[in-house]
Amino acid sequence: NAGVTQTPKFQVLKTGQSMTLQCAQDMNHEYMSWYRQDPGMGLRLIHYSVGAGITDQGEVPNGYNVSRSTTEDFPLRLLSAAPSQTSVYFCASSPYLDSGANVLTFGAGSRLTVL
Amino acid sequence: QQQVKQSPQSLIVQKGGIPIINCAYENTAFDYFPWYQQFPGKGPALLIAIRPDVSEKKEGRFTISFNKSAKQFSLHIMDSQPGDSATYFCAARVTSGSRLTFGEGTQLTVNP
Repeated sequence: NAGVTQTPKFQVLKTGQSMTLQCAQDMNHEYMSWYRQDPGMGLRLIHYSVGAGITDQGEVPNGYNVSRSTTEDFPLRLLSAAPSQTSVYFCASSPYLDSGANVLTFGAGSRLTVL
Repeated sequence: QQQVKQSPQSLIVQKGGIPIINCAYENTAFDYFPWYQQFPGKGPALLIAIRPDVSEKKEGRFTISFNKSAKQFSLHIMDSQPGDSATYFCAARVTSGSRLTFGEGTQLTVNP
């Protein structure tokens, strides 16, 4: 059982380049999300999805796109990379429970540097 | 704006000490308060969680204290060990849905 798998683990981009961070989970979780982690700012939600075909914006969505064509996959696209997007990105998933406790399972992270 | 404020940003204690990490929130719609632990190079993982209908929850050496009227909650680590050295995040969830809002994180170092 792999859990949440993120690729790549490391990436260096030049300003203006585009790329996609991949996220896949094999737990049949309905909820998937992307966070970025920056020193002193904690984990900030970028985008999330409560099921295939449904996505919504989090706290810091600008400069990022997502799609959810299957339950398993939730890629994050950087349209035109900027140095401010240098960060560590985490994908996380959980069963979508409206009333129960939510245990987010995180991937190992993708470290992105934009020059 | 940060809906969950966490302090301190970093904390150093000696082995056996009791580090305390504090969080405060404003949104009274929050109804679930987990703590996540993150080791270097890894993703965060759920450590312990509490609901606002109880004032304290213990799991092993980890205790959450919750003060609903003050809108504050804290993590206490009893008999801390060097293996507890990690970054700790508090979080809160709104009444419906799975969306979690995290605090800024606390980097804990437990010296031998």
